[in-house]
Amino acid sequence: AQKITQTQPGMFVQEKEAVTLDCTYDTSDPSYGLFWYKQPSSGEMIFLIYQGSYDQQNATEGRYSLNFQKARKSANLVISASQLGDSAMYFCAMRDGSGNTGKLIFGQGTTLQVKP
Amino acid sequence: KAGVTQTPRYLIKTRGQQVTLSCSPISGHRSVSWYQQTPGQGLQFLFEYFSETQRNKGNFPGRFSGRQFSNSRSEMNVSTLELGDSALYLCASSLTGRIEKLFFGSGTQLSVL
Repeated sequence: AQKITQTQPGMFVQEKEAVTLDCTYDTSDPSYGLFWYKQPSSGEMIFLIYQGSYDQQNATEGRYSLNFQKARKSANLVISASQLGDSAMYFCAMRDGSGNTGKLIFGQGTTLQVKP
Repeated sequence: KAGVTQTPRYLIKTRGQQVTLSCSPISGHRSVSWYQQTPGQGLQFLFEYFSETQRNKGNFPGRFSGRQFSNSRSEMNVSTLELGDSALYLCASSLTGRIEKLFFGSGTQLSVL
């Protein structure tokens, strides 16, 4: 069965520093996609970044980058130059290989607090 | 371009009642998925609709149901509410089945008393 594990319930980072949020996954499917979402206190899930299992390069979206290590089944999110507005809950998620589905498996999330 | 719209934002119901939540996807999106978020269980997939057909279903009892209309708007219904149904219900839409992004709404916070 597919599974996403986020082992850091909470993290602190100083403003302007970089932070890495950990995510490991488990799947037997050779084709899959990995996502990171941000959920501020308002509740909305905001898409941050996506990595396909066959993508050769690590995904980047502005200050967000995904450190994809396929052999270790890890997909860590790196946020560079943290801002106060980055304080939120962060979720790692995976979809299965068919791609034809809106079903994502989510991890338990990591709460990030950025200190001024 | 408007995002995913969920109504109502907050809802308070009592045990035994039923509730209907609404989701309007991004214009042009044909896939709508529903998720339940609770502090204990986290985010769990409820079901997905694509072109008015349920394409995928999570492990929830039959009290949870949904439908999608021809304009892609979707509703989910929970009958005979239980205290454990208190949760944030999130709707997400994508253009077709082959997604790289799933766009979420702000959710409906349901409290069952």
